[in-house]
Amino acid sequence: NAGVTQTPKFRILKIGQSMTLQCTQDMNHNYMYWYRQDPGMGLKLIYYSVGAGITDKGEVPNGYNVSRSTTEDFPLRLELAAPSQTSVYFCASSYFSGTNYEQYFGPGTRLTVT
Amino acid sequence: GDSVTQMEGPVTLSEEAFLTINCTYTATGYPSLFWYVQYPGEGLQLLLKATKADDKGSNKGFEATYRKETTSFHLEKGSVQVSDSAVYFCALSDLNTGGFKTIFGAGTRLFVKA
Repeated sequence: NAGVTQTPKFRILKIGQSMTLQCTQDMNHNYMYWYRQDPGMGLKLIYYSVGAGITDKGEVPNGYNVSRSTTEDFPLRLELAAPSQTSVYFCASSYFSGTNYEQYFGPGTRLTVT
Repeated sequence: GDSVTQMEGPVTLSEEAFLTINCTYTATGYPSLFWYVQYPGEGLQLLLKATKADDKGSNKGFEATYRKETTSFHLEKGSVQVSDSAVYFCALSDLNTGGFKTIFGAGTRLFVKA
């Protein structure tokens, strides 16, 4: 299993440009998440999904959009990039069974907006 | 709302020293508690977890005990190695409400010198 994969690894955007961060998991997990990690800070939840066709906002959703058309894929869209969106973005997936719960993280995408 | 507070880093230790990273939490329900580790250039990975009061999570020589009376989940290791150098995140998730949202602390960077 590849686990959670993210592309690209690095990206530089100009202000106002758009892009999609890709995320795919091959563990058949229902739950998927997008986080951003700013320097010296913990992870902030942007959006999450509890299954195909179902998404919901997290703590910091402004400026982002998501879709979940399949169990495997959970892309994150930035429509009008702003410097405040410079961050490292992590996608994660998880299963939930009784008290068994663990999030599996991708390697991250480092995004710089200038 | 729920929150997690970790001791600020960085923490710098010599090899074979004893490690403690403090973590306290506030939660309205009965959360499960986690420690995640992030090695340079990688995503987070689960280190250990505890799902109820007085549970002890352990893995790779690391331990943490869920203390409800002090709302704490401190991470300890008796003898650190250079390879333990990483960022450590304390986190909580209320699995009774589906566990969709995990709250992460800000992270504590650990440097271990040979």
